[in-house]
This record gives sequence, C-alpha cells and structure tokens, in this order.
Amino acid sequence: ETGVTQTPRHLVMGMTNKKSLKCEQHLGHNAMYWYKQSAKKPLELMFVYNFKEQTENNSVPSRFSPECPNSSHLFLHLHTLQPEDSALYLCASSLSHWGPSNNYGYTFGSGTRLTVV
Amino acid sequence: DAKTTQPTSMDCAEGRAANLPCNHSTISGNEYVYWYRQIHSQGPQYIIHGLKNNETNEMASLIITEDRKSSTLILPHATLRDTAVYYCIVASTGGGADGLTFGKGTHLIIQP
Repeated sequence: ETGVTQTPRHLVMGMTNKKSLKCEQHLGHNAMYWYKQSAKKPLELMFVYNFKEQTENNSVPSRFSPECPNSSHLFLHLHTLQPEDSALYLCASSLSHWGPSNNYGYTFGSGTRLTVV
Repeated sequence: DAKTTQPTSMDCAEGRAANLPCNHSTISGNEYVYWYRQIHSQGPQYIIHGLKNNETNEMASLIITEDRKSSTLILPHATLRDTAVYYCIVASTGGGADGLTFGKGTHLIIQP
C-alpha cells in the first residue's frame, strides 16, 4: 500500500452507464491528480486539484467529471463513455509546494482498470 | 517542463548494476530531475530526485552531469523485481501544484 487508495480496482461498464472512481489519501497532501494510461501510451494528466480547487483540466471530454470534496478525497464521475476510454486510471497526491522539503514527489495509487463495453 | 530523452529499452543481468541514462539538454536552472518507475499494471513509484548534486538513497543513486544536461540512474545490484518502466522527468518546484509530465520511459528488463 502506498497511502493512496483507489476503488474499485477493476470496473467494466456499458456505454450508457454512470459510474464513479474513488481515490483517498491520508498522507497530509493538499494536491491530487487524475491520470489516464492507455495501452502502450504514456501517462496523460487529466485533472489537477490543489487545496480542493481545480487548477488544471487538460482538455478532457465532459463525459469525465472530477470532484474533490476535501483534500483527502478525489472522485472521477463517468457517464456515456466510449470504448476508447478503456484504460488504467491513476490517482496521485503530493504536497502542493513540492521540492526539497518533499522527498517523495508524487504518491500514486494502484489504479482502476476500466473497460468500456 | 523540459523534455527528456531516454532509450526505449535496456537489458541488465541480475546482480549487476543497471545504469539508465537520460538526456535533458534544455533543463532550466530551477528544474529538478525526478525518476519514477512503473511495474506492470501498478502506479508509478518515486525513486529519487536531484538538482545538481549526486544523490543516493536506499533504492538508487542519481548522477547528474556538471552542466546538468544529462543524468544517470544507477540501481547498484539489480534484481528481477527491478524489471519495470523507468521515467526520467524534469520539473520545477514550488509555487503550487503542477502535473508531472511522463514520457515513454525506458523499459528495463533484468535477465536471470
């Protein structure tokens, strides 16, 4: 366990379903991130939250909707996804001002393997 | 963030030192070099980072050239469990959270 917990670990959903991915950390971090990793592609940054405020949205389609109710929890709400959205979705957290005082950079969860059918 | 260049793949014999190179010729003065690794189907794991001095921790050593245009990650005694994709990333620090940008990394295969 890394300290960042993602649930569920695996999810299969139809294109008309609505589901949510959950990420939780109790590391005292103030920044949280969603990444997408498709097969044989680099990790793609989707969203950044800093002190519960969204600071970055990398042109992600609106069928992905993030929510950050507090600094410890992050959700990714999914609706009307496409088969090409099948991927490993990774959550990460960090101190908001990371540098020499933060020797561990980002801490990642184990991810949710999403399959859209 | 500055771009990095890494070999696509490397092999190393178990028990030997694995030396993973990274070029970052456009690195800025306030950018650090970070190394992460990703074992198959898991989230990336932080390994080490540095600014200009060489660094060592329980996992690895990081050697940064004097001009800071390249670096080498050294795993001193590679084991089969070190087989993973290794990412070299340069990023600035402080002033709020920025997303780390991952490239394709180096797929390191440790041979028995």
